[in-house]
This record gives sequence, structure tokens and C-alpha cells, in this order.
Amino acid sequence: SAVISQKPSRDICQRGTSLTIQCQVDSQVTMMFWYRQQPGQSLTLIATANQGSEATYESGFVIDKFPISRPNLTFSTLTVSNMSPEDSSIYLCSVGLAGVGYEQYFGPGTRLTVT
Amino acid sequence: SQQGEEDPQALSIQEGENATMNCSYKTSINNLQWYRQNSGRGLVHLILIRSNEREKHSGRLRVTLDTSKKSSSLLITASRAADTASYFCATDPGTASKLTFGTGTRLQVTL
Repeated sequence: SAVISQKPSRDICQRGTSLTIQCQVDSQVTMMFWYRQQPGQSLTLIATANQGSEATYESGFVIDKFPISRPNLTFSTLTVSNMSPEDSSIYLCSVGLAGVGYEQYFGPGTRLTVT
Repeated sequence: SQQGEEDPQALSIQEGENATMNCSYKTSINNLQWYRQNSGRGLVHLILIRSNEREKHSGRLRVTLDTSKKSSSLLITASRAADTASYFCATDPGTASKLTFGTGTRLQVTL
């Protein structure tokens, strides 16, 4: 298993500003992912954070809006840029561990409210 | 969207009863996973069933998978108040491990 922490746990931000969310894992992992969960909704994958290279974004998400860094195998950041109220969501990072199938371990999430 | 559908959207039962929730998906899978989320917090992995398996048990959890119907069910037996949470199925196509989550079932277990 893996233990994942996220900072901050929650924040209230003004529109037009940016927020960087940190994700720290207690062991080296190959696969790290960022998800968004809008209020009352399911999870949507934003991107796969690749160590040492650019993140791989899903349809509907772009690097200018959600820049991601992955400097090593235990840490990643997601920035939500030029925020609007529509960005109010829970943002979760997760890691995949190799095995029979890739079950994922999730961080506690960052609850973002944009006013 | 390739997101799976879950039903019911919400389920309310009394402690000690069984809870069954269903998941349907659209594409071929390598495995299907179930997760629990308490009050908008992080998800906890419950159980994984591979595409060549039909049934799997873990404690009070029983998962079935019917790949011909592209559906799965999660049964929680002898439910407890602590089981109150949202439950999500997630499909893994086996490529880069990108999970696609279902819409979720909100389970309320009352005393």
C-alpha cells in the first residue's frame, strides 16, 4: 500500500488567482494521477503525472489551466490557474501500484472553493 | 463519455440489512474495482475483480462481474452505520491504468 498526503486540505480563493496543490507519497511510485471531483459528482481524470517529463492530459484539460510538475517519484504538484467558480471541486491525487491489476491509492483530497 | 452508470444513485437501509449496488460500463476491461468515499474525502480501495473472474469475496463484501452484460454488482452484507459512504465502481482497460469511475451510489445505513 501507499500513504499519500495532500496540501492544503482546503482553501477558499478569489477568481483570477492560482492555487498549487501538493501531493506527497511515502514511497517511490511510477504512476501518479490527478483527479477532479465536482460537487456531488464522480471523479474525472485530469492527467497522469510523469516523472521527468510533461504530464499526459485527458480530453478537456490543458496544461495552461492545470500545469503539473513531477520532479521525482514521491512528489507532484497540480496548479489550478486563473480560477473561476466553476473550478470549485475536490482535487485528488492517486498513485498506482503494480500488481495483478493497478489498484490505486488516493490522497485525502483538496477541497477548493472559488469565490 | 465512457463513464459507467451505477444504480441506485442513493440507497437507505437499516443496520443489519444487506446493500446491493450495481455498475454498468461500456468498454472492454482488464479489471473492475470498487472504492468507498466517506464525506467527500479520499477514496479507499475495496476490492478488485479481474475480467476472467466471476465472483470475489472480501469480508462482508461480495462482488460479481458479468463481462457479457458489462455489469458488476457489490453486495455488502450485515451493513453497519460505519458503511455509510459513497461507493464507486471503476473500470481499468489495462492500458496505462487509467481508471474510469462510475457515477456512484450514496449509501445511508441507519441504526
